Amino acid sequence: AQKITQTQPGMFVQEKEAVTLDCTYDTSDPSYGLFWYKQPSSGEMIFLIYQGSYDQQNATEGRYSLNFQKARKSANLVISASQLGDSAMYFCAMRENPSGSARQLTFGSGTQLTVLP
Amino acid sequence: GAVVSQHPSWVICKSGTSVKIECRSLDFQATTMFWYRQFPKQSLMLMATSNEGSKATYEQGVEKDKFLINHASLTLSTLTVTSAHPEDSSFYICSASRGSDTQYFGPGTRLTVL
Repeated sequence: AQKITQTQPGMFVQEKEAVTLDCTYDTSDPSYGLFWYKQPSSGEMIFLIYQGSYDQQNATEGRYSLNFQKARKSANLVISASQLGDSAMYFCAMRENPSGSARQLTFGSGTQLTVLP
Repeated sequence: GAVVSQHPSWVICKSGTSVKIECRSLDFQATTMFWYRQFPKQSLMLMATSNEGSKATYEQGVEKDKFLINHASLTLSTLTVTSAHPEDSSFYICSASRGSDTQYFGPGTRLTVL
């Protein structure tokens, strides 16, 4: 079974509007972390936001917020007030057992976001 | 903070040659470094995890004799693609972590094998 599922291969959004990128995950581990990364055409992976499984509140970082619904095992990324520079590939990733030594990330298949002027 | 560099950013080589890619954590000590491969329009696939001073742990299906990983210091890990072939052409990305902290990614290296 896929550990991280991103069902939207491509998304379009009008500049200045908000957009939600979907991510669902599958784990039996009670302790895990969820990440979103942005990958522009240059290829670099830019860390956007992190949500720990025990965090009580949804994570927010500027225009990025993570809609964490633990019971549904979803961790959708919300980008508010989209900008042309937000056009990129977005990856959701999960790390299981975040405490202790570093654990590997499992990535979803990604969503290509295009912001329209 | 948490800057990771990779060198070279791109490389073209002939089939049968070996290529070394360096990954450096510039402003922190990375106890663990990860190497990923990404084919066009696809996700990142973890190749191996390396801890400073010990042997790398390779993912299933990754040939350890072909993809040699060395993590000699807390700021440097190298990936050597030995006897490269055209099917090894890909985007290789490293990341570095301070223990259980977030992984910070390098800018990637685009390898083209002719």
